[in-house]
Amino acid sequence: EAGVTQFPSHSVIEKGQTVTLRCDPISGHDNLYWYRRVMGKEIKFLLHFVKESKQDESGMPNNRFLAERTGGTYSTLKVQPAELEDSGVYFCASSQGLATGGTQYFGPGTRLLVL
Amino acid sequence: AQSVAQPEDQVNVAEGNPLTVKCTYSVSGNPYLFWYVQYPNRGLQFLLKYITGDNLVKGSYGFEAEFNKSQTSFHLKKPSALVSDSALYFCAVRLFGTDKLIFGTGTRLQVFP
Repeated sequence: EAGVTQFPSHSVIEKGQTVTLRCDPISGHDNLYWYRRVMGKEIKFLLHFVKESKQDESGMPNNRFLAERTGGTYSTLKVQPAELEDSGVYFCASSQGLATGGTQYFGPGTRLLVL
Repeated sequence: AQSVAQPEDQVNVAEGNPLTVKCTYSVSGNPYLFWYVQYPNRGLQFLLKYITGDNLVKGSYGFEAEFNKSQTSFHLKKPSALVSDSALYFCAVRLFGTDKLIFGTGTRLQVFP
């Protein structure tokens, strides 16, 4: 079974540019999550999709961040315009849901550097 | 506020010795507790979880963790460390009925030959 995949693995952009991150969850997982680790700090929750619907977006830092999951399969996270403080590692995770204990399986992450 | 604390930034242990990576939490209600490991240039890998039942949970790669409700702790342990266990370890908590994980800051485990 393929795991969670993320693209790109690394991205270096200049302040003010736009970057789009993609996440493909494990097949059959309705739940998809985005997290971010900034500057070696703790990993913080950004948002949670159930299929194509946003279940919880309480962790989104501001309106420069836009997440979509059209069709309930893969998800994109767009940062526009990027700021220096957006640098970090963006993780995507998926799960089958609370009924099965809700273990979240993570992808390898996208390392974003904003210069 | 809900939080997870990993008091040690780094733990050093000799190969073959037992290891402990500490985690304490502060949440209301009954938590679900998780340990994840991140090897260099890799994503987070699930190690084990506690939901309910036996306080000693066994997981992947010979790791186990003990849930202690009175001390609000969930320390990760292994009887005999391997050099290949060297990695970054994260403790996380999820409140019952929610999906959001709250992570600690991570502990770097270094196992020396």
